Amino acid sequence: DSGVTQTPKHLITATGQRVTLRCSPRSGDLSVYWYQQSLDQGLQFLIQYYNGEERAKGNILERFSAQQFPDLHSELNLSSLELGDSALYFCASSNNPGPLSGNTIYFGEGSWLTVV
Amino acid sequence: GQNIDQPTEMTATEGAIVQINCTYQTSGFNGLFWYQQHAGEAPTFLSYNVLDGLEEKGRFSSFLSRSKGYSYLLLKELQMKDSASYLCAVRPASGGSYIPTFGRGTSLIVHP
Repeated sequence: DSGVTQTPKHLITATGQRVTLRCSPRSGDLSVYWYQQSLDQGLQFLIQYYNGEERAKGNILERFSAQQFPDLHSELNLSSLELGDSALYFCASSNNPGPLSGNTIYFGEGSWLTVV
Repeated sequence: GQNIDQPTEMTATEGAIVQINCTYQTSGFNGLFWYQQHAGEAPTFLSYNVLDGLEEKGRFSSFLSRSKGYSYLLLKELQMKDSASYLCAVRPASGGSYIPTFGRGTSLIVHP
């Protein structure tokens, strides 16, 4: 158990719908990352927050958005869903997003999203 | 940007040793991670190399050569439970975010 909690674990929804994925980082971790993993793309970085503020953006679609709240939990909002959005979405956290050695990123169990 | 290359799949026999290679090209380098991921589960941290050389941790060891843009993960005394995907990830030194970029992973199949 990494200490990163994600809900829901599984989600099935229709095209065009909107869903929200939730993440609680490890205790004491200020940085939250969202990754998308699909069979053909591998693990793709979407976005990072640090202490409530957006820190870095990766390959995140405009239909997707995220935020980190004062209690440090984070939500990833996916809207106007398409079949191709079906994937495993991981949240991860770390203590310090800087270049310190041993700054490991710990992953949650993921949220399986199936768009039908 | 970063370009990371790993073999797609490898097979090995229980009790044997296997070496999974990772080559990378990056505009700046600040460390290399190895993660293990069982199907449908979270990636779990195995190792982090910043300096050249071999780091050993139980049955798993990781090697880094920064000048060659090369790393390998060495798994000894293979067990069936080692069947998983092994992800190499490179942390850049530029951009200020230090976000690791992951390779596509190497699927390791351990058979009796």
